[in-house]
Amino acid sequence: GAGVSQSPRYKVAKRGQDVALRCDPISGHVSLFWYQQALGQGPEFLTYFQNEAQLDKSGLPSDRFFAERPEGSVSTLKIQRTQQEDSAVYLCASSLGTSGGAVETQYFGPGTRLLVL
Amino acid sequence: ILNVEQSPQSLHVQEGDSTNFTCSFPSSNFYALHWYRWETAKSPEALFVMTLNGDEKKKGRISATLNTKEGYSYLYIKGSQPEDSATYLCAFPESSASKIIFGSGTRLSIRP
Repeated sequence: GAGVSQSPRYKVAKRGQDVALRCDPISGHVSLFWYQQALGQGPEFLTYFQNEAQLDKSGLPSDRFFAERPEGSVSTLKIQRTQQEDSAVYLCASSLGTSGGAVETQYFGPGTRLLVL
Repeated sequence: ILNVEQSPQSLHVQEGDSTNFTCSFPSSNFYALHWYRWETAKSPEALFVMTLNGDEKKKGRISATLNTKEGYSYLYIKGSQPEDSATYLCAFPESSASKIIFGSGTRLSIRP
């Protein structure tokens, strides 16, 4: 079956440019997560959706980062006025979200590698 | 801020040898401990979700143990093969909700 997909796989942006990263979760998965992974580090939580509701955005590093999931399936992570420190791999994951979130397996996409010059 | 530590940071192992590495996490407010494998150019893949103290899980040549009282989990790989080369990540849920905190990973390279 289809897994989590992300697009684009690679994105080069000039500093100050806006970018939009897309995530297509597994069909029927209620929960959707975004992570940022800097070189040599583990993925860091950015934000979490349950259906269309953004329940936790505590990991978004600044107000330049914005995520949405308007119809409870596809999600977009938008970064405005990109800075060099935004260069990272952005991972999306989804889970069934039916109960006990802490014990649910998250299924990851391949990530979008963003390079800001 | 929760601290999830993995050691070693990287490991080089001869093909056929067995190896293990560690994930340390807070011993209070334990919900679960996740292990993932992340091969280069692929998506992170779930290996295990561990929930009970003393849990031991196995998937082929890979197994994991859990000690929630002292806050650590070991991942073991028996008879390493080149396809085991990957970064192994552990992740610790911050609460009963879904936000999880990842360690920095152990990068494993298998020498043929």
